[in-house]
Amino acid sequence: DTEVTQTPKHLVMGMTNKKSLKCEQHMGHRAMYWYKQKAKKPPELMFVYSYEKLSINESVPSRFSPECPNSSLLNLHLHALQPEDSALYLCASSPTEGSNQPQHFGDGTRLSIL
Amino acid sequence: QKEVEQNSGPLSVPEGAIASLNCTYSDRGSQSFFWYRQYSGKSPELIMFIYSNGDKEDGRFTAQLNKASQYVSLLIRDSQPSDSATYLCAVHTGRRALTFGSGTRLQVQP
Repeated sequence: DTEVTQTPKHLVMGMTNKKSLKCEQHMGHRAMYWYKQKAKKPPELMFVYSYEKLSINESVPSRFSPECPNSSLLNLHLHALQPEDSALYLCASSPTEGSNQPQHFGDGTRLSIL
Repeated sequence: QKEVEQNSGPLSVPEGAIASLNCTYSDRGSQSFFWYRQYSGKSPELIMFIYSNGDKEDGRFTAQLNKASQYVSLLIRDSQPSDSATYLCAVHTGRRALTFGSGTRLQVQP
């Protein structure tokens, strides 16, 4: 079990669906991250939020839309995804965005696009 | 040249042996170095981090950092079959985020 909670654990959706991934942490961390991980590849950074503001967007397609409603919650809204978007989506948090701050990962959401 | 490089393995060691996992990085300005363990189908789990040159020990794990050689390693003593996993080296390269290596798959043979 991790202190970063992601829901749902699994999601299957069609290319025309709209869904959201949720991430929650209660460690008082002020930096939160979304990563995408394909099989046998390392995690790839998508977005970074620092103090509830978007800090980094790694040129992610607009069909992925992040949202940080408060310091404990991070959402990733999905719309019109493609089959190649099927992957493990990981949320992580750290005390701040500083370089010496370890990131702690949630269990991930395994997403399949039909 | 990749920013963070690891040998993909698999690295196979017998139970009870020392496993040595290596990582090199290209950005001399990198300040923070992390090792994550990832079991198949699971999320990465932080096991060690190191900021200063030298060794840092935590139980069976030792992280070693040599900034002059741009090299960081992870030693696992008394390796157990439960240590079989992919080990990801992650470096804070000066960009405001972590860069991961491609991971080394470790197999500990009973």
